[in-house]
Amino acid sequence: DVKVTQSSRYLVKRTGEKVFLECVQDMDHENMFWYRQDPGLGLRLIYFSYDVKMKEKGDIPEGYSVSREKKERFSLILESASTNQTSMYLCASSSPRGEGNQPQHFGDGTRLSIL
Amino acid sequence: GEDVEQSLFLSVREGDSSVINCTYTDSSSTYLYWYKQEPGAGLQLLTYIFSNMDMKQDQRLTVLLNKKDKHLSLRIADTQTGDSAIYFCAESQYSSASKIIFGSGTRLSIRP
Repeated sequence: DVKVTQSSRYLVKRTGEKVFLECVQDMDHENMFWYRQDPGLGLRLIYFSYDVKMKEKGDIPEGYSVSREKKERFSLILESASTNQTSMYLCASSSPRGEGNQPQHFGDGTRLSIL
Repeated sequence: GEDVEQSLFLSVREGDSSVINCTYTDSSSTYLYWYKQEPGAGLQLLTYIFSNMDMKQDQRLTVLLNKKDKHLSLRIADTQTGDSAIYFCAESQYSSASKIIFGSGTRLSIRP
């Protein structure tokens, strides 16, 4: 079974802090994704990566950056946290395009509160 | 652009069938997925259907795809309290680097 592990289930930080959310997958997947989930808005893609050191902006990248130094690890960085970044953050991974069905496999999420 | 739409809420009686509906706009969709999210957890892949199929059955779950109308449904037979969750419909397009577009989710609640 695919295992996607997010380092924290709950996190509380202060406005202006630099925040790191970590995600590790154990299936040697090329693709990794960061989403945020807010009530009534579903999942919105922040950034994704299809290879080490590669990244692409999703639909809402403002205020975030990412790092993919190793294949199994994808980090989301809030450069200067703001209260409107309080949300549930979900990491996912998948096999690359061209290998048929590539469902995304999700971690359990990090509920981040910015005070 | 791509869009996936679902109703936000559904309430059914325990033991009845639940039918969760979804519409999508992109005719180039290759795979369509149903994910389940229980409270406080991530998304769990329930089932998926390839766009050249019109039905898939897996135990209590039946997925129906009407490609002409771009309509997808998930039927859960004999709904149980453990089925209470948010259900997300999602589509992927081959042209789009493994991205998946998610609907807003349907919250299924079960009444006794």
